[in-house]
Order: sequence, then structure tokens, then C-alpha cells
Amino acid sequence: QVLLVQSGAEVKKPGASVRLSCEASGYTFLSYYIHWVRQAPGQGLEWVGLINPSGGSANYPQKLQGRITLTRDTSTSTVFMDLSGLRSEDTAVYYCARSHAYLGFLFDLWGQGTLVTVSS
Amino acid sequence: DIQMTQSPSSLSASVGDRVTITCRASQSISRSLNWYHQKPGKAPKLLIYDASSVQSGVPSRFSGSGSGTDFNLTISSLQPEDFAIYICQHGYTIPLTFGGGTKVDIK
Repeated sequence: QVLLVQSGAEVKKPGASVRLSCEASGYTFLSYYIHWVRQAPGQGLEWVGLINPSGGSANYPQKLQGRITLTRDTSTSTVFMDLSGLRSEDTAVYYCARSHAYLGFLFDLWGQGTLVTVSS
Repeated sequence: DIQMTQSPSSLSASVGDRVTITCRASQSISRSLNWYHQKPGKAPKLLIYDASSVQSGVPSRFSGSGSGTDFNLTISSLQPEDFAIYICQHGYTIPLTFGGGTKVDIK
């Protein structure tokens, strides 16, 4: 079965860091980019970065540069998202999603989402 | 960054209605436009990619059109399971951005 399975919910204080994981199964891990997309409560979708599992190169939006890092473990087909300096506005459901490396940036498979709550 | 603007932001419709949702990009994105729908508490699901290609397993009542800056998603005959939020996304360049969504609910 083709799946992206994400780690569980997190509650963090402002200024802390969080690490989320996204484990891929049922397909060739190296053939698909993994993206992270977040959705604040009642709000729209925001792209927060991508990683190419084949090589490990990553891209991030300007607003998160310096606070976000995407890495991967090819032995376990898992991608990690580290977000530091957490603020209340980082409270959101974070989804991982895949796009084929050569077929454009369309998300045909999503994880179940991980709620990150930032609160003092 | 490319801005994606959807209209309307919400609409009410009945089962069997034909529904069209519009997405406009702030600059030309060729045909790099994807449509998703999202139900409460769930991840988005891909419906249409590259402006008009229907994703495998998606019913044929869904269709997409457009190129450049203006795009449409049409549902030919709305079904009960189609009440959801519809979201466009450009895949033209990094950073990727999404439209604000169109909520389709029951009249």
C-alpha cells in the first residue's frame, strides 16, 4: 500500500523547536520529492518546503529560511522537518506530500497530517 | 511569489447542479495548475493536474480548463460527496502557492 505516515501531535512553547517525521512506503522513495504544507486553524494551505530524497537537496520559502530544515534517511524512507524558534503563528496542521521528480509539482499522495500547537 | 486568487470564496448549490470555480494567477503559469478538494479534518485530494488532466480514480464529472493566468474547475453534476473546499495550486516555480479555497456547501 502506498502511504505517507506522519508522526504524532506536538505541543511546544514559544522559542522551542519541533521535529516531525514522514515515513514513505509502497513506492520508490528516491523517485518522488517530499514537500511539507501547513494549514493554520481555519486558514488556507501554505507550502513550507521540499526535499529531493535522491541527494538530499532542499528548497524553502523565504519567510522560513533559517528556521526550517528538511532532511531524509534513505534507509528508512523517512523525511524529517525541523522547525526552530517556534511562534504562535506556527500553530498548524503540517502535511507531508509527494510529487514525482519529473512530472511537475503536483501532490498526488498526502500524509494524514500532524498538529503542532505552539502555546505558552 | 505567484499569487493565486480563487472566486467565489464560497457558494451554495444543490445536488445535480453544474458548478464552476475560477482560479487566477498573478502571472502566466502556462498550464501548471492543479486542483484539490479537502473535507473537514482530512488531507487535500488531487482532482485535476496540469490544468485539465483528471487524476486516476477521480469521477469524470470533474473537469478543468484554462492556461496562462485564468483557470476553471467544473463539476458537471454535483453529488453529495462533492461538498467540500476546492483549492487551486500552481506548480510553475518555487515557491509553490495555493489559492484561498472555495467552499461548496448545500443550498
